[in-house]
Amino acid sequence: AQKITQTQPGMFVQEKEAVTLDCTYDTSDPSYGLFWYKQPSSGEMIFLIYQGSYDQQNATEGRYSLNFQKARKSANLVISASQLGDSAMYFCAMRANSGGYQKVTFGTGTKLQVIP
Amino acid sequence: KAGVTQTPRYLIKTRGQQVTLSCSPISGHRSVSWYQQTPGQGLQFLFEYFSETQRNKGNFPGRFSGRQFSNSRSEMNVSTLELGDSALYLCASSLQTGGSGNTIYFGEGSWLTVV
Repeated sequence: AQKITQTQPGMFVQEKEAVTLDCTYDTSDPSYGLFWYKQPSSGEMIFLIYQGSYDQQNATEGRYSLNFQKARKSANLVISASQLGDSAMYFCAMRANSGGYQKVTFGTGTKLQVIP
Repeated sequence: KAGVTQTPRYLIKTRGQQVTLSCSPISGHRSVSWYQQTPGQGLQFLFEYFSETQRNKGNFPGRFSGRQFSNSRSEMNVSTLELGDSALYLCASSLQTGGSGNTIYFGEGSWLTVV
């Protein structure tokens, strides 16, 4: 069975500081992809970053980086130099094969609030 | 390049009615999937379509149905609406249906309120 766990329901961070949002995953498929999405209050899910299970290096996209620790099955999102516009829900997701289908599983999300 | 477009953005329906939501994927994307998001249940997968065929289905009652057209546009329909169907319905598109690196891109969602 596939599972994504986000243990932080809510986080606060001071503007301009870095913040790490935790994500652990579980799958028996050796080939999987890990994704992070941002969801502002408007509702749209915005794709942030992707990490493949066979990628040797941690993914980075601007201020976003993914701290991928395969042995620990963790894929934490690091946001550097937080901005007020980063306040939103953040979802970790995984795409992997489950029961013969490619399935996408989402975590429960972390609500990030950036304080001025 | 236009993103995923969902219509309508907001709607209010009465219990027992039916509703149809529309989704236009990113140009060139052939896979469309639908999700229901509620505060209590989080993001739940409804179904996925690829080349007009349903490829995968979540655990929702038969009142929830969908289809995909030859231009990859998709619609989902909910019949006999219940109060619990009030949710944000998100449509997502991707290039293809398989591949662990196949990124899905979401639309802005359709906010459905059932009264």
